[in-house]
Amino acid sequence: KQEVTQIPAALSVPEGENLVLNCSFTDSAIYNLQWFRQDPGKGLTSLLLIQSSQREQTSGRLNASLDKSSGRSTLYIAASQPGDSATYLCAVRWWSGAGSYQLTFGKGTKLSVIP
Amino acid sequence: DGGITQSPKYLFRKEGQNVTLSCEQNLNHDAMYWYRQDPGQGLRLIYYSQIVNDFQKGDIAEGYSVSREKKESFPLTVTSAQKNPTAFYLCASSPGTGVSSGANVLTFGAGSRLTVL
Repeated sequence: KQEVTQIPAALSVPEGENLVLNCSFTDSAIYNLQWFRQDPGKGLTSLLLIQSSQREQTSGRLNASLDKSSGRSTLYIAASQPGDSATYLCAVRWWSGAGSYQLTFGKGTKLSVIP
Repeated sequence: DGGITQSPKYLFRKEGQNVTLSCEQNLNHDAMYWYRQDPGQGLRLIYYSQIVNDFQKGDIAEGYSVSREKKESFPLTVTSAQKNPTAFYLCASSPGTGVSSGANVLTFGAGSRLTVL
């Protein structure tokens, strides 16, 4: 069974700092990995999706990398801003062996960017 | 604008009552999902549907029921059999469920918060 871990559970940084959020998964046989952002009391917004054949994806100040062999992904945020404050979740898609793909989420990292 | 609409945003229920959460999408997506989110926990899959008139149980389906009579709609009923229904419920959709690029990128609704009194 796939397990997804995000450490730390919470992170506080001063505005302008570059930061890295971590996501690890136990079974490296994944098909893709997706990073989401969730604001308090809101739904999830997709940030980046990395296919298993890719090493990284970039969108603006965000860069996500994937190392399947070590079971790790990182989300790099450059020049952090107070508006980046949110909970960031990663999710991995894997073959369940029961006729379908499954998506397993981590518990998220709550990011606070201090002005 | 295309998206997913969940209603109501907040719902209060007395013990023993069934309640239905609405989820509507205008993205022309084939697949729809219901997740439950509890504080400090990751999202857990309740039910999913890959196509109209078909749905499958997720990891925590007990006490819940769904229907998929139309492509756009995937309502979730929280029955009285659900022992601990107070939670934040999220509906999502994706173009498909395959692994081709973009097929399974999830789009989420804004969520519905259910509180049992």
